[in-house]
Amino acid sequence: QKEVEQDPGPLSVPEGAIVSLNCTYSNSAFQYFMWYRQYSRKGPELLMYTYSSGNKEDGRFTAQVDKSSKYISLFIRDSQPSDSATYLCAMSPTNDYKLSFGAGTTVTVRA
Amino acid sequence: EAQVTQNPRYLITVTGKKLTVTCSQNMNHEYMSWYRQDPGLGLRQIYYSMNVEVTDKGDVPEGYKVSRKEKRNFPLILESPSPNQTSLYFCASRSSADTQYFGPGTRLTVL
Repeated sequence: QKEVEQDPGPLSVPEGAIVSLNCTYSNSAFQYFMWYRQYSRKGPELLMYTYSSGNKEDGRFTAQVDKSSKYISLFIRDSQPSDSATYLCAMSPTNDYKLSFGAGTTVTVRA
Repeated sequence: EAQVTQNPRYLITVTGKKLTVTCSQNMNHEYMSWYRQDPGLGLRQIYYSMNVEVTDKGDVPEGYKVSRKEKRNFPLILESPSPNQTSLYFCASRSSADTQYFGPGTRLTVL
């Protein structure tokens, strides 16, 4: 079993829809949780970062962490074609170095 | 502009021919790492470095070498490449968990 599980999709939604992405993990030591966005032929870029459980909102993006269920989510409201990308979750037990990544979910937002 | 650069961006080589992929960052980050990205497997860490002359194995180090003689540079060396090392490689650097920067990627094909 992988340490971090993420449904690879692909996920296709119409413009304006809510996109819901999630990851599950097995290591209860994970404390730091991140979402990266990767456009085609580009490196991943940090989108959201949360520590421990709870919600974090940044514009159209909301990240949720449920440590009791070992489950994290990313929601994209009012999705735009420019949100079409691969989204990767990542997590770490400490705020220093090693990140464990999910496989990534490919999202297409149709105009 | 803060950035991580990698060279070359694309490389086709043959089995057994030694190659080096360079990585450089201009942000004075202590921590640097190399990942490979394969379909369905996501990002897997190859090697990382906490600082100059300090390197350690990641999850998939077999067949790779690294060195960290200067803070800004972290080259990845394949002494005898094999076809199973055909992949997309990313270098990354950071100073804390919420500011990891990735390079643009190097697409390597080993024939």
